[in-house]
Amino acid sequence: TQLLEQSPQFLSIQEGENLTVYCNSSSVFSSLQWYRQEPGEGPVLLVTVVTGGEVKKLKRLTFQFGDARKDSSLHITAAQPGDTGLYLCAGAKGSNYKLTFGKGTLLTVNP
Amino acid sequence: GAVVSQHPSRVICKSGTSVKIECRSLDFQATTMFWYRQFPKQSLMLMATSNEGSKATYEQGVEKDKFLINHASLTLSTLTVTSAHPEDSSFYICSASEGTGELFFGEGSRLTVL
Repeated sequence: TQLLEQSPQFLSIQEGENLTVYCNSSSVFSSLQWYRQEPGEGPVLLVTVVTGGEVKKLKRLTFQFGDARKDSSLHITAAQPGDTGLYLCAGAKGSNYKLTFGKGTLLTVNP
Repeated sequence: GAVVSQHPSRVICKSGTSVKIECRSLDFQATTMFWYRQFPKQSLMLMATSNEGSKATYEQGVEKDKFLINHASLTLSTLTVTSAHPEDSSFYICSASEGTGELFFGEGSRLTVL
């Protein structure tokens, strides 16, 4: 059973379009993290959200943590080819750093 | 930010041989490190939690005799894939925390078993 459902799994859009990636669970997480990974490299942390209802912005990326801390979304405005990559959400329970990863969203932004 | 390094980044071996992958925290001490495997275009699957000075904790379905983990110091954990077979070919990634709540990931090691 996948604890974190991430959707869509694949997304191909044109440069300049907006997109939203969703991460949903029936479990409550103490924190949720979003990562971006390029082929052949390890994931790079984009943001950590810890408070229900929290919204964080990172340039053109907006992250939101659900009020109940069970879901999160990543919204990208005016996507650019450089945004292409695998986006992963990961939830943590407690403070032991053990993460549960979603299946990932493979984003392709075409010029 | 903190740096985690893996070595080798790529390794090709013959079926039946053993391969060791190293994970080092370069500028901090990590009592706990994590090992993941990742298949192409898929997410990371946690294999085990590596604990400095004690036995690793393996996730369900991961063979501990197949994937040997040693965390001999606060900056080094090793994963040895024993008697590797083609189905073990994968991207292996480690992560470590410096205690601030953020996990830092290594660059990954791509294993190809012929």
